[in-house]
Amino acid sequence: KNEVEQSPQNLTAQEEEFITINCSYSVGISALHWLQQHPGGGIVSLFMLSSGKKKHGRLIATINIQEKHSSLHITASHPRDSAVYICAVNDNAGNMLTFGGGTRLMVKP
Amino acid sequence: NAGVTQTPKFRVLKTGQSMTLLCAQDMNHEYMYWYRQDPGMGLRLIHYSVGEGTTAKGEVPDGYNVSRLKKQNFLLGLESAAPSQTSVYFCASSPPRGALRETQYFGPGTRLLVL
Repeated sequence: KNEVEQSPQNLTAQEEEFITINCSYSVGISALHWLQQHPGGGIVSLFMLSSGKKKHGRLIATINIQEKHSSLHITASHPRDSAVYICAVNDNAGNMLTFGGGTRLMVKP
Repeated sequence: NAGVTQTPKFRVLKTGQSMTLLCAQDMNHEYMYWYRQDPGMGLRLIHYSVGEGTTAKGEVPDGYNVSRLKKQNFLLGLESAAPSQTSVYFCASSPPRGALRETQYFGPGTRLLVL
């Protein structure tokens, strides 16, 4: 079973700060996902990646397959970025996701 | 497109009662999933389905049953609810087999309290 660890568990930042959230996993995967869960509870997929880097607006996700590690970066953070960010990995068969415990981010104005 | 919807949004049960949670998706997705989310535990897969008429066990299947009689619906049943099943339940779906590794789309969640 893949073990997915995220760090930090909690993060408080000032508006405009550059934020990095890390995710590491123990067993080879077919893909890694970054999800966002807002205070209301809804979960939205941000990225799915299997190599390299992806960028969407102020969000950047990178993955290093050899090191079994991924990072999610937020540039010029804003209070509306406050949410729980969750890392999840697909097993090699691709059917099942294993989730990290999440990183709770609060961005203060 | 409504996306993924879940019914009900909130339910209170007494120990031993049964209930069914309904998940519906209108995106023609082949794959559907049921997760539970507990404080400090993250999301965990209960059961999943790779197509109409098929189901498979996930990480924490005990105490739950599922059915996928129609492609657009995935039902999660609790035959005899226990307080340990108090949780928030999320349904998700993902695109057809050819895009298997594409993202999952989540429903809004069902909050269940078992007394």
